[in-house]
Amino acid sequence: IAGITQAPTSQILAAGRRMTLRCTQDMRHNAMYWYRQDLGLGLRLIHYSNTAGTTGKGEVPDGYSVSRANTDDFPLTLASAVPSQTSVYFCASSDSLDYNEQFFGPGTRLTVL
Amino acid sequence: GQNIDQPTEMTATEGAIVQINCTYQTSGFNGLFWYQQHAGEAPTFLSYNVLDGLEEKGRFSSFLSRSKGYSYLLLKELQMKDSASYLCAVRDNDYKLSFGAGTTVTVRA
Repeated sequence: IAGITQAPTSQILAAGRRMTLRCTQDMRHNAMYWYRQDLGLGLRLIHYSNTAGTTGKGEVPDGYSVSRANTDDFPLTLASAVPSQTSVYFCASSDSLDYNEQFFGPGTRLTVL
Repeated sequence: GQNIDQPTEMTATEGAIVQINCTYQTSGFNGLFWYQQHAGEAPTFLSYNVLDGLEEKGRFSSFLSRSKGYSYLLLKELQMKDSASYLCAVRDNDYKLSFGAGTTVTVRA
């Protein structure tokens, strides 16, 4: 079934540890995105990628990095996790940056202690 | 940046109509979107408006007034499965989405 997968589903992490959240899509979409969702704040864009090999910063990029080595994968890395990064992380993709509909993955619930 | 406001919660009865308002103040505008998100699940796309007026899609309609910075999502013939959060989002001129905090709609029998 076509779509977006994220791993892990949930994770508890000690502060200071490095963590990579994985995202893979099989729709051959050019654009991919990472959002975090916090109660009362809604979804906020962390990083995005217009096409393989390019990335850009969103609204809240500090403490996160991304790479886009190929079309399908868009991992998000927390180099040194802090408690304020406790959140639900959603990966999304769209056919192109200006395409109207974004398709979201099931999310990763991350707790940093 | 974007400032997007929508009510936190709304409650309505099965079969009724509910209107969710969204106001925005933006530094650039390239479309307004509504997404539906059931508890514990991913958001799913509902509608897109870039021109003023009403877009109808089955039981759901979305309205936009760019001059007023205002949109609403109208849900008709409410069903229990419509209980969810509804997210208003504005796209800027760089094609990045900014979301409101969401409106949780509870449908009662």
